[in-house]
Amino acid sequence: GQSLEQPSEVTAVEGAIVQINCTYQTSGFYGLSWYQQHDGGAPTFLSYNALDGLEETGRFSSFLSRSDSYGYLLLQELQMKDSASYFCALGNYGQNFVFGPGTRLSVLP
Amino acid sequence: NAGVTQTPKFQVLKTGQSMTLQCAQDMNHEYMSWYRQDPGMGLRLIHYSVGAGITDQGEVPNGYNVSRSTTEDFPLRLLSAAPSQTSVYFCASKPSGSQETQYFGPGTRLLVL
Repeated sequence: GQSLEQPSEVTAVEGAIVQINCTYQTSGFYGLSWYQQHDGGAPTFLSYNALDGLEETGRFSSFLSRSDSYGYLLLQELQMKDSASYFCALGNYGQNFVFGPGTRLSVLP
Repeated sequence: NAGVTQTPKFQVLKTGQSMTLQCAQDMNHEYMSWYRQDPGMGLRLIHYSVGAGITDQGEVPNGYNVSRSTTEDFPLRLLSAAPSQTSVYFCASKPSGSQETQYFGPGTRLLVL
């Protein structure tokens, strides 16, 4: 089977940079996605890596290393509105997805 | 475009009752899926479909049925509700050729007493 691990909570101050890690175990996958979810809301897509390396989308970047079974989401210039839960998810060749347990980010003033 | 819509927003059931959670999308996406999310946890895939007439099981399919008669609709049926099915249910869709973005509906909060 597949499994993903994320830290349960991360705290940072406004304006700072924070990295949310995701380690996974799988025999194969297509890519790694990241989603944001505010309390009571639906998950929304942030970033995706099919290949090793860094993908940058505005203040958000995501990194993947297949050899290390590791990825991370980097959030720069943190804002209060970034306080939310963040999920990594493996996308499989069979078109199904497995999500990590999520990391709750708290941004302090 | 309305995107992905789900009804109802909230539902209370008694143990043993059946019900259907509705999901519709107007983006002509071939792929649709159902997830459940329990408090403080990630999303777990229940069932998914890569096109009309095609469905497959996800990680936690027991107690749920799906069908896909049209591209737009993907209803989730609870056959005999149990308290363990108390959860928030999300429907999602994406183009089949894309491995990237899934578009999620607003969710249905289900309480089984």
